Amino acid sequence: EVQLVESGGGLVQPGGSLRLSCAASGITFKNYWMTWVRQAPGKGLEWVATIKQDGDNKYYVDSVKGRFTVSRDNAKNSQYLQMNSLRVEDTAVYFCAGGWGWFWDSWGQGTPVTVSS
Amino acid sequence: DIVMTQSPDSLAVSLGERATINCRSSQSILSSSDNKNYLVWYQQKPGQPPKLLISWASTRESGVPERFTGSGSGTDFTLTISSLQPEDVAVYYCQQCHSSPLTFGGGTKVEIK
Repeated sequence: EVQLVESGGGLVQPGGSLRLSCAASGITFKNYWMTWVRQAPGKGLEWVATIKQDGDNKYYVDSVKGRFTVSRDNAKNSQYLQMNSLRVEDTAVYFCAGGWGWFWDSWGQGTPVTVSS
Repeated sequence: DIVMTQSPDSLAVSLGERATINCRSSQSILSSSDNKNYLVWYQQKPGQPPKLLISWASTRESGVPERFTGSGSGTDFTLTISSLQPEDVAVYYCQQCHSSPLTFGGGTKVEIK
C-alpha cells in the first residue's frame, strides 16, 4: 500500500520559514516524480513544485520561485519543501503527491501551513 | 500559462441521474507528437486529498467505477458520471499536464438533489 506522510506544517509569522517533509512507503520512490500541491482554505488546488527522479530537475510556480526549494533524498524515500520569506497568501494545506510524470496517483493527507502575525 | 475553466461551479443531481462537468483549456493540450490529450481529472471528497480518476482525458484509473467517463479533445473536455451515487458527492477538478506551470480548473462541486 502506498503511503505518503507529510510533516512540518504549522503557524509562522510573515517573513518566516518552514521546512515540510514527505516520507514515502509502498512505492519505488527513486522512480517517482514528486510534487507539492497546495489548497488555500475553501479554495481549489494549486501546483507548487515538482522534482524529477534524479533530483536535478525542479519546477516551480512563479509565485514561489526564489522563496521555495524542493529537494529529495532517494536513500530516505523522502522529499522536502523549504519555504522561506513566507507570505500570508502561502497559507494552505500542502499535499505531497507522487506519480510518473506531470500528474499524480499517490497523495498524502496534507499538512497545514498558516502564515499570520 | 494555460488557463483551465470548469463549468458549472456546482450542480445538484438526483441519485441515479447523469452528472456532466465541463473543462476548457485556453489553448490546445493535445500533443502532436503522441496524439494524447494532456488532461486529467481528480475527485476530492471533504477532508481528503484528491484522487486521480482519469488520465489522458479518457483513461479510467484502476478501480475507478465505469460510471465515470472522460471525453473530449483539444480544448474542450467532459467528465460524465452516468448514474450518480451517494459516494460521488465531491469536488471534481481537471488539470492540464501539457506544460508548466501545471494548472487546475476551479473545481465543480457535485451534490445530491
